[in-house]
Amino acid sequence: DADVTQTPRNRITKTGKRIMLECSQTKGHDRMYWYRQDPGLGLRLIYYSFDVKDINKGEISDGYSVSRQAQAKFSLSLESAIPNQTALYFCATSDTSFAGWNEQFFGPGTRLTVL
Amino acid sequence: AQSVSQHNHHVILSEAASLELGCNYSYGGTVNLFWYVQYPGQHLQLLLKYFSGDPLVKGIKGFEAEFIKSKFSFNLRKPSVQWSDTAEYFCAVNTGGFKTIFGAGTRLFVKA
Repeated sequence: DADVTQTPRNRITKTGKRIMLECSQTKGHDRMYWYRQDPGLGLRLIYYSFDVKDINKGEISDGYSVSRQAQAKFSLSLESAIPNQTALYFCATSDTSFAGWNEQFFGPGTRLTVL
Repeated sequence: AQSVSQHNHHVILSEAASLELGCNYSYGGTVNLFWYVQYPGQHLQLLLKYFSGDPLVKGIKGFEAEFIKSKFSFNLRKPSVQWSDTAEYFCAVNTGGFKTIFGAGTRLFVKA
């Protein structure tokens, strides 16, 4: 069974629609992250959360919002999708108790296309 | 600002050729270094990591990387690549805080 799961895996939507991407983990990690991947740009951090009560913006948070419903769940929302949000989105987790600092574990990704 | 540079965006090799992918970072303090691999259609997975100790680290599938502190580099190597190594490779750096910075990635295509 996958430790980090994302739904949906693929989504096509239209400009102006509200979209929610969901992430769940069974690793028991306290830290969760949302990244977007664009060709030639690598992964860029959108939001991160250290626990249920702690949400922080990453480098490209404009146009996105998140919700940490439980330790195991972290959702990413696009309130009004626009075409330049077309990308591959990854959720990741890490464990602060792990002695080795921030090794991250990734979900399978959600491919989002905004028309 | 902290950054990670991967020198090659695309690399094409024949099977059995040797591989070296360059990675340099800009940060003067203590770092944790990672190489992640993304096979076609799959999620990122850890290839190897360096936290401390021996600067030559070995990972899965015959990969290794060498941390050279004076050069701020963490290059990935493999003596003999296989067709199944076709993937995108990401270098990443964590400076001890919340943020891990990823390089832009290098796409490797291995010809059978």
